[in-house]
Amino acid sequence: DAGVTQSPTHLIKTRGQHVTLRCSPISGHKSVSWYQQVLGQGPQFIFQYYEKEERGRGNFPDRFSARQFPNYSSELNVNALLLGDSALYLCASSLSVGSDEQFFGPGTRLTVL
Amino acid sequence: GIQVEQSPPDLILQEGANSTLRCNFSDSVNNLQWFHQNPWGQLINLFYIPSGTKQNGRLSATTVATERYSLLYISSSQTTDSGVYFCAVAPFQGGSEKLVFGKGTKLTVNP
Repeated sequence: DAGVTQSPTHLIKTRGQHVTLRCSPISGHKSVSWYQQVLGQGPQFIFQYYEKEERGRGNFPDRFSARQFPNYSSELNVNALLLGDSALYLCASSLSVGSDEQFFGPGTRLTVL
Repeated sequence: GIQVEQSPPDLILQEGANSTLRCNFSDSVNNLQWFHQNPWGQLINLFYIPSGTKQNGRLSATTVATERYSLLYISSSQTTDSGVYFCAVAPFQGGSEKLVFGKGTKLTVNP
């Protein structure tokens, strides 16, 4: 079975632009979470979606938004990019919400110039 | 919010040596996972272990939830074990299972 997939793999943008990152969960998983990992740190939670509803939001500005589609795939959008948004963006999927194990995709490496 | 502390931050071993990585957390948790992050950034699931002991080959893990710590044991280390090991916990809270990560332990195994 395929694991969590993310696209694109790498992305280069300039300050002020907008970016959309995509994630497809493991088949049968209904929950998707997004994390940001800057160099040298552990991943930080951005959003969790379950059955197309937002179930949790981390401490990120309103420039960050996300949504989940009926097929459980998800998009993360970031507006008005800043240099500090340069990071590895990770998507994780799990069966549902609660105490389920989370599985991570390979990530999208975003560079903002 | 919950705090997750991992130790040591860096660890250098010779191939064949054993090691113990520690994760302390400051509050009760719903979930605890150990990950290995490879040089390309992929987080690989090692253990899902909110409590108890599990073993998988040369790796084993123990979580003592009442004392708020978890240990990851690596025996007979190999160069392919190199990378960053993260502990992540999901604090008790309704309707969400966000993972809070520690800063990681960077393991280098030399041949």
